[in-house]
Amino acid sequence: GAGVSQTPSNKVTEKGKYVELRCDPISGHTALYWYRQSLGQGPEFLIYFQGTGAADDSGLPNDRFFAVRPEGSVSTLKIQRTERGDSAVYLCASSLTSGALQETQYFGPGTRLLVL
Amino acid sequence: KQEVTQIPAALSVPEGENLVLNCSFTDSAIYNLQWFRQDPGKGLTSLLLIQSSQREQTSGRLNASLDKSSGRSTLYIAASQPGDSATYLCAVHGGSYIPTFGRGTSLIVHP
Repeated sequence: GAGVSQTPSNKVTEKGKYVELRCDPISGHTALYWYRQSLGQGPEFLIYFQGTGAADDSGLPNDRFFAVRPEGSVSTLKIQRTERGDSAVYLCASSLTSGALQETQYFGPGTRLLVL
Repeated sequence: KQEVTQIPAALSVPEGENLVLNCSFTDSAIYNLQWFRQDPGKGLTSLLLIQSSQREQTSGRLNASLDKSSGRSTLYIAASQPGDSATYLCAVHGGSYIPTFGRGTSLIVHP
């Protein structure tokens, strides 16, 4: 595709509900990242995929958060029993290969999650 | 743990001014530093990437410098335009693929 896309662009849910956020990376990019950005803050790393496997999930805040990338392309971030503190913009980024440090990450527009 | 600070948090200037945005980091053992632009409701766009062995990078009206030993980087914007209005984020890589971001500088350039 032309760029990284994320759906939905906005999501409003109630406390305790389950949500799924989707990321479509740039075609051919093997590395995929999820970040969370709270208001007035910079993005915080959540999880990194190399291909189908989660190479690093050390940024996930707790076990209510889970992400998959079953075919090495589209990824879904899943949040169970949502809490008001989960409200943030969830950003997805992809890069061409294995997350080499000199590579640029291409970011999607984000999903704005609001938990009431 | 790496900490990245950006000053000022917000800036409002008239069109045409030359600007300096500052980024400081606590651990000088970085691999590279990157400046991003974020428009409201949009993702991040990479502006400049400086490797640790480099002192500066330039792209059009943008110039970014890096002083690794003092833990500082500056983004210089020449002849600012209203279209430059956005949030500018600094991110450092400390040898892993996980960047540490600052909180950003929110810039408004008014006509």
